[in-house]
Amino acid sequence: SQELEQSPQSLIVQEGKNLTINCTSSKTLYGLYWYKQKYGEGLIFLMMLQKGGEEKSHEKITAKLDEKKQQSSLHITASQPSHAGIYLCGADRLGKLIFGQGTTLQVKP
Amino acid sequence: NAGVTQTPKFRVLKTGQSMTLLCAQDMNHEYMYWYRQDPGMGLRLIHYSVGEGTTAKGEVPDGYNVSRLKKQNFLLGLESAAPSQTSVYFCASLKGLAGAYEQYFGPGTRLTVT
Repeated sequence: SQELEQSPQSLIVQEGKNLTINCTSSKTLYGLYWYKQKYGEGLIFLMMLQKGGEEKSHEKITAKLDEKKQQSSLHITASQPSHAGIYLCGADRLGKLIFGQGTTLQVKP
Repeated sequence: NAGVTQTPKFRVLKTGQSMTLLCAQDMNHEYMYWYRQDPGMGLRLIHYSVGEGTTAKGEVPDGYNVSRLKKQNFLLGLESAAPSQTSVYFCASLKGLAGAYEQYFGPGTRLTVT
């Protein structure tokens, strides 16, 4: 099993609906990254969370870090087709950045 | 400022052939990384470097070698390519310790081994 587990692995939502993607670590989280990837392209940085309880927003995307649960959640409000892609969480492992397996999001118009 | 660039973008190899993937960054970053991405597996760390002249193994290092002779370049080598190495390879760089800085990614190299 991977150190970072994302759920769900894939998601199909209707445009305008809200959704949440979770990232759970089997080890202590010191820094948590969220990236988005469009099919066949590179990774786009969304945000980075460093402290427990921290919450950040970028347009309609909000991410939170729960250090006690060793978990981060990414929430998209009023989803749009432009939100479609693969969402990846990454965690700091003392200089190494490792990633979850990704969550594929489809948004139906 | 080009950021992180990768060469080549696409490559097809036959089993047993060798090749080198080049990653270059012009941001004076200390840390550089090589990942491979396979369907349903996310990004898996192959090797990484915390500075010029240093390299370290990641999660899936077997079958790959790396070198960081210059701070701006990080090379990934496949000495004897195998079909299991068919993947998309991403290079990334980081200014300092993770947790404090954004990691920048290259556009990827799509490698097929037949």
